[in-house]
Amino acid sequence: EIVLTQSPGTLSLSPGERATLSCRASQSVSSRYLAWYQQKPGQAPRLLIYGASSRATGIPERFSGSGSGTDFTLTISRLEPEDFAVYYCQHYGSSPKYTFGQGTKLEIK
Amino acid sequence: QVQLVESGGGLVKPGGSLRLSCAASGFRFSDYYMSWIRQAPGKGLEWLSYINSGGETIYYTDSVKGRFTISRDNAKNSLYLQMNSLRAEDTAVYYCARDYCTGGVCYEDVWGKGTTVIVSS
Repeated sequence: EIVLTQSPGTLSLSPGERATLSCRASQSVSSRYLAWYQQKPGQAPRLLIYGASSRATGIPERFSGSGSGTDFTLTISRLEPEDFAVYYCQHYGSSPKYTFGQGTKLEIK
Repeated sequence: QVQLVESGGGLVKPGGSLRLSCAASGFRFSDYYMSWIRQAPGKGLEWLSYINSGGETIYYTDSVKGRFTISRDNAKNSLYLQMNSLRAEDTAVYYCARDYCTGGVCYEDVWGKGTTVIVSS
């Protein structure tokens, strides 16, 4: 079973700054199977990135994903006020079908 | 527009049962795999179960295997989760999600707003 570990647990930044969120897999995974989601308080998660680096429909260009093997990164180039949320990485596999990381909370400094 | 609406949550005693429903609209439901995911209070996301478009292929995470049953009715554009032998640790918001599958990989590209299940005596 793949375990995803996200870091940091909480990231405190100001609007306009660059955010870098990490997701590390317990073993090498195909980048095709790695996705990122954003969840705001009281809302359902929203798909941001799939295949490690492809933006989902309607996702702004300031969001980008990268990585391979065991190390993946979500970068937000210039933070907007609406970007402060919790971010989860996810792996699509065999058993279980989906595994989520524990999340990174991006908070306003 | 594309929409998923969950219902059926509520307060249930330990050992009890509950059936969640998810009504889909705005897309061809029978073309898509579907999943249930939950989130305990203040915790992260936990994928629970997944069913293919025709209902023949089903997966569960270990924590609910043997207690929860996923099903779908394509004629009614609806997804279900029958939950039996409920425990306090099943208390959570339950989301249904559409699985967009392409080239052997799937992503959950549409989510409902969730329905809350509380298991307590």
